[in-house]
Amino acid sequence: AQKITQTQPGMFVQEKEAVTLDCTYDTSDPSYGLFWYKQPSSGEMIFLIYQGSYDQQNATEGRYSLNFQKARKSANLVISASQLGDSAMYFCATRNEKLTFGTGTRLTIIP
Amino acid sequence: KAGVTQTPRYLIKTRGQQVTLSCSPISGHRSVSWYQQTPGQGLQFLFEYFSETQRNKGNFPGRFSGRQFSNSRSEMNVSTLELGDSALYLCASSLATTSGRSEQYFGPGTRLTVT
Repeated sequence: AQKITQTQPGMFVQEKEAVTLDCTYDTSDPSYGLFWYKQPSSGEMIFLIYQGSYDQQNATEGRYSLNFQKARKSANLVISASQLGDSAMYFCATRNEKLTFGTGTRLTIIP
Repeated sequence: KAGVTQTPRYLIKTRGQQVTLSCSPISGHRSVSWYQQTPGQGLQFLFEYFSETQRNKGNFPGRFSGRQFSNSRSEMNVSTLELGDSALYLCASSLATTSGRSEQYFGPGTRLTVT
């Protein structure tokens, strides 16, 4: 079984600051994928970034980067230069045959 | 390219009734997965369909069922609705099955309220 842990239920960050959202995972699979999704109040899940377990480099997508530490089973999301539109729920997920999600972190950007 | 669409967006039903939700995947995507999101249980996997066949199933009672058509559109059905079925139901599509790199793209969800 796979398990995702997000220990920050909520975070408040000043606009333009960088923010790190924590995610640890537990899996016995030798090969796995890690995903981050953003869920605004509208409800739609928006794919942000993907990291494969065998990828040599940390994934980056625009202002999003993933701090992947395989030995620690950690896959933290870093958002640089936060914007008001970044306020949302953020979910970390891993996939074997299905996506397993963490409980999420509610990020609020303060002007 | 159009995204994943779900209909209806909002639904109110009474206990004991049944409901059918619809999902149209992104053109070319053959895999459709369904998830239930509630404040108490979070996001939970319901089932996945690929080429009209159910490939994976989550831990939900038999009241929850689904199917996929030849055009990859999918429906999920919940019979004998209970208050606890009130949730946001999310559909996601991907090119291949959920194993592998292919990321899933989600629809806007159907918010079901059972009274």
